[in-house]
Amino acid sequence: DADVTQTPRNRITKTGKRIMLECSQTKGHDRMYWYRQDPGLGLQLIYYSFDVKDINKGEISDGYSVSRQAQAKFSLSLESAIPNQTALYFCATSDPFKGELFFGEGSRLTVL
Amino acid sequence: KNEVEQSPQNLTAQEGEFITINCSYSVGISALHWLQQHPGGGIVSLFMLSSGKKKHGRLIATINIQEKHSSLHITASHPRDSAVYICAVIKGTSGSRLTFGEGTQLTVNP
Repeated sequence: DADVTQTPRNRITKTGKRIMLECSQTKGHDRMYWYRQDPGLGLQLIYYSFDVKDINKGEISDGYSVSRQAQAKFSLSLESAIPNQTALYFCATSDPFKGELFFGEGSRLTVL
Repeated sequence: KNEVEQSPQNLTAQEGEFITINCSYSVGISALHWLQQHPGGGIVSLFMLSSGKKKHGRLIATINIQEKHSSLHITASHPRDSAVYICAVIKGTSGSRLTFGEGTQLTVNP
């Protein structure tokens, strides 16, 4: 199994639809993150969680919500998708004390 | 002005050349990651540095905390090194959250 698995890998949806991107990890890390990547803008932090009971907003959290269902699972939801949320989304996990950082393969979302 | 700046933005090299990618940052940090992203692919952390120098195969990463600068070197470059290289810092007060540079697109021609 991959260290960090994201589903779906690709999704095309329409404006106003609810979308959930799921992330699971096998590293046993407490810290998990959702990032968004847009061409020319680099990666931006949407939400992060340092343990199951800890959820924090990142730089660009408006229009998004998250759920940390277990240590290994961290889901990102778009309650009502809009076209400018078209982007590549990455989940990541880390243990900074071990110097470990792992990313998923990315979920490409297109909102029409 | 971005807190993390990379140069160059684009780099084209011939196979076998020595490559250097630079990263400068304007904030206090606890550590810095160099990341590699292949086209259409995921992101891999190559190194995490908090001081000095690390080497892995043909890749060498250095950091100078006083000058707020890091470099990634690739020796004997190969076409499979073609990718986007991203510098990301963990700011001193951010826990483990990353602040990213915009990346350097490297193309190595055979």
